[in-house]
Amino acid sequence: NAGVTQTPKFRVLKTGQSMTLLCAQDMNHEYMYWYRQDPGMGLRLIHYSVGEGTTAKGEVPDGYNVSRLKKQNFLLGLESAAPSQTSVYFCASSYLGPNIQYFGAGTRLSVL
Amino acid sequence: GQQLNQSPQSMFIQEGEDVSMNCTSSSIFNTWLWYKQDPGEGPVLLIALYKAGELTSNGRLTAQFGITRKDSFLNISASIPSDVGIYFCAGQYSGGGADGLTFGKGTHLIIQP
Repeated sequence: NAGVTQTPKFRVLKTGQSMTLLCAQDMNHEYMYWYRQDPGMGLRLIHYSVGEGTTAKGEVPDGYNVSRLKKQNFLLGLESAAPSQTSVYFCASSYLGPNIQYFGAGTRLSVL
Repeated sequence: GQQLNQSPQSMFIQEGEDVSMNCTSSSIFNTWLWYKQDPGEGPVLLIALYKAGELTSNGRLTAQFGITRKDSFLNISASIPSDVGIYFCAGQYSGGGADGLTFGKGTHLIIQP
């Protein structure tokens, strides 16, 4: 029973490089979310999806893109990484609506 | 976005002590959630509250949904070393859309043996 799985767990990028973070959930949840967590800032919503083929911007979407081609997967892309994007990224999913969300273990990204 | 204030920011306590933390909102919430995040892991749901005045327990943890619907508190009784972590409150406000879950900035709990 995997729940929400994020890959990779760690990554180091150079400024300007691109990468994609993958989130997969096996709970048949409709809603999926990407957050970033920075010291003293709590969890901030980057983008979210209310179903396959849909995406929407959250609180801090600049510099990120997302895609939800399959219901179980939600991808977060960084086209040109910047040091300000050094953070811990969490994916979450919920069955219907934004109340109880289940989180992955996180991806720790450093941009040098 | 909605404002949600969580306090205290951090707590240094002795093993065996009781712990209390709270969250307050500038808006009315219709759901309050409490999560715990262990070091190096993602947040895990502890307690969910759906009605004003609701008091819910999960082992040594007790949480309440404030009568005004603008606050919630979490108590931990007889703390043990594995209680160490960051505790987040989260609230869903009335009329909120799919992005309508707001998180507090967390309370860091540190337990000294």
